[in-house]
Amino acid sequence: QVQLQQWGAGLVKSSETLSLTCAVYGGSFSGHYWSWIRQPPGKGLEWIGEIYHNGETNYNSSLKSRVSISLDTSQNQISLKVRSVTAADTAVYYCARVGSNFYYYMDVWGKGTAVTVTS
Amino acid sequence: QSVLTQPPSVSAAPGQRVTISCSGSSPNVGNNYVSWYQQLPGTAPKLLIYENHKRPSGIPDRFSGSKSGTSATLDITGLQTGDEADYYCGAWDSSLSAGVFGGGTKLTVL
Repeated sequence: QVQLQQWGAGLVKSSETLSLTCAVYGGSFSGHYWSWIRQPPGKGLEWIGEIYHNGETNYNSSLKSRVSISLDTSQNQISLKVRSVTAADTAVYYCARVGSNFYYYMDVWGKGTAVTVTS
Repeated sequence: QSVLTQPPSVSAAPGQRVTISCSGSSPNVGNNYVSWYQQLPGTAPKLLIYENHKRPSGIPDRFSGSKSGTSATLDITGLQTGDEADYYCGAWDSSLSAGVFGGGTKLTVL
């Protein structure tokens, strides 16, 4: 049974870089896209982007200039970086497995990491 | 402003039925598959429906999904107090080349 464990700094200063990591346990890393989604306090879900096991990425156009998603296949880990953060980047960040790229759904989710951008 | 449109809230009494709509357009709901997620307070979203109408193992058949044209619907029958949660629809958007979600619907079981 696939599980996702995520971690990273919970407080990030404005204009600095937010960095989070998500480790995949109990399943195959390959053959899936791995996505990042965030949820600002009291608001809905926002898709940030995704990475395939071959390194191919897709990003939300509104965040593309500041976001990068990478993977470490030797460690079965996916990483997210968001540069030049502002208060608007304060959110709970989730990593999730895309169960099927054709049917497009997220079938396994991490517990989420709350990130607050401070001034 | 979310790409997919959901009602902000719905409510019904225990045992009753509720329907949550998800309206999109051709690049997303119209030509791709819809999924639904349940988010209980303080927890991560959980996959409820995929491929428009399929349920993952462990999801009771009180939850059902359907799609017609550019709209999708989540039906919940036999409402229980434990169903109180936020519900989100999601899909791939072929025009944006991105995943998209609805704004979420808060279900209150009165």
